[in-house]
Amino acid sequence: DTAVSQTPKYLVTQMGNDKSIKCEQNLGHDTMYWYKQDSKKFLKIMFSYNNKELIINETVPNRFSPKSPDKAHLNLHINSLELGDSAVYFCASSQVGGSRNRQFFGPGTRLTVL
Amino acid sequence: AQTVTQSQPEMSVQEAETVTLSCTYDTSESDYYLFWYKQPPSRQMILVIRQEAYKQQNATENRFSVNFQKAAKSFSLKISDSQLGDAAMYFCAYRSANNQGGKLIFGQGTELSVKP
Repeated sequence: DTAVSQTPKYLVTQMGNDKSIKCEQNLGHDTMYWYKQDSKKFLKIMFSYNNKELIINETVPNRFSPKSPDKAHLNLHINSLELGDSAVYFCASSQVGGSRNRQFFGPGTRLTVL
Repeated sequence: AQTVTQSQPEMSVQEAETVTLSCTYDTSESDYYLFWYKQPPSRQMILVIRQEAYKQQNATENRFSVNFQKAAKSFSLKISDSQLGDAAMYFCAYRSANNQGGKLIFGQGTELSVKP
């Protein structure tokens, strides 16, 4: 079984559309994250949720809205997509204080905005 | 704010040889964790090795080892007996031990190529 899964793996869409990326972890972790990897492969945290509560929001435009229906899921909804949103988005999870603080990453979602 | 710097955008190594990837970081904290992640072309992020700042002993995982110099804020990765499968992007990352939500702060990455 995949520990952290994301759907879809590839997403191609037009500017101005609204899209969602789903993430699920089956590790029983209490914290989930969204990271963005840009075209230069730089990785940066976007959001972090602990037990369904938002704890990190790294100056991300409010067009991005994470939603955590339960501890095992953290979805990312993006409104009014822009060309600059094209990137790879990674979901990750960890148990704060556990597993020596290791984060497990999903396979990533490559978003292309045309 | 903490920062992580990888000054080598690209590195190359001959198969079976040893290569060292550099990483420096800046922090005012005394307790933190450091990681090296590998990202092959499949783009999956794979944890290679981790180091707790309070441990003086350098971490090792099979052919991978680190040189952790806390005073110098340096955390280099040594890959011994390089294999073709080691070719990937390598990221150094920092995580505070304080309550900062557990986020990882990444360096810019080093693209490692392995020549047969």
